[in-house]
Amino acid sequence: EAQVTQNPRYLITVTGKKLTVTCSQNMNHEYMSWYRQDPGLGLRQIYYSMNVEVTDKGDVPEGYKVSRKEKRNFPLILESPSPNQTSLYFCASSPRTEIGGYTFGSGTRLTVV
Amino acid sequence: LAKTTQPISMDSYEGQEVNITCSHNNIATNDYITWYQQFPSQGPRFIIQGYKTKVTNEVASLFIPADRKSSTLSLPRVSLSDTAVYYCLVGGSSSGAGSYQLTFGKGTKLSVIP
Repeated sequence: EAQVTQNPRYLITVTGKKLTVTCSQNMNHEYMSWYRQDPGLGLRQIYYSMNVEVTDKGDVPEGYKVSRKEKRNFPLILESPSPNQTSLYFCASSPRTEIGGYTFGSGTRLTVV
Repeated sequence: LAKTTQPISMDSYEGQEVNITCSHNNIATNDYITWYQQFPSQGPRFIIQGYKTKVTNEVASLFIPADRKSSTLSLPRVSLSDTAVYYCLVGGSSSGAGSYQLTFGKGTKLSVIP
C-alpha cells in the first residue's frame, strides 16, 4: 500500500531532550515536507526537500533540523525541544511532477513539558 | 510566496452543492492550485489539483478563472461525512519553475447539517 509512515504517533518528552520523528514513504517520491499544525494557525511548513541531500527552510524552521540521506526517509530532529514546539506534526511527500499533490502521514502528536 | 485567503467557516444542508472560494492574488505563473480535506486528528487528504480553467474528478470540481487570482472548490450534493476542514494550497510546478515552499492557509471549516 502506498503510504507515508510517521513514528511515533504520540510522544511526550521533557524540555531539552533531543528527539527524532521519523518519516518514510514507499512511493519513490522526490519531494518531502514537514508541517506542524496548531489550533487557529493551520498547517505551517517547517522544512522541505526536493531530493536526496537537498533540503530547504519553510515558514517556521527555527528549532528544527532535517536530513535527506535516502530518498524514502526524511526525519525531523528537535535538538533541544521547548514547550512551544508542542504541536501536531505531519510529514508529506509528492512526486516531482505533482508537487503539492501530497500524500500525508497520520501525524505525530508531540508534547514537550 | 503566494498567500491564500479562505472563509473561516461555512454551513450547508445535506444534498446541497457547496462552493468554497480561495483567494490567491499573488499566485506565480507556474504555481498549481491544490485542495485538501482534513478530518480531526488525521492528515490532510488530496482532493483535486489544477492550473487553469476547470478540473473535475469523482469527488469535486475546481474552477479557476483566467486571471488565476482565485479558485473555487465545488462539492456536489454534500453529505454529513463531508464535514471537515478544507484547505487550498498554491505552489509547485511540474516544470520545476514554481514555488516549492508550499504554504497552506487556515482552511475553511465546513459543517454539513442534516
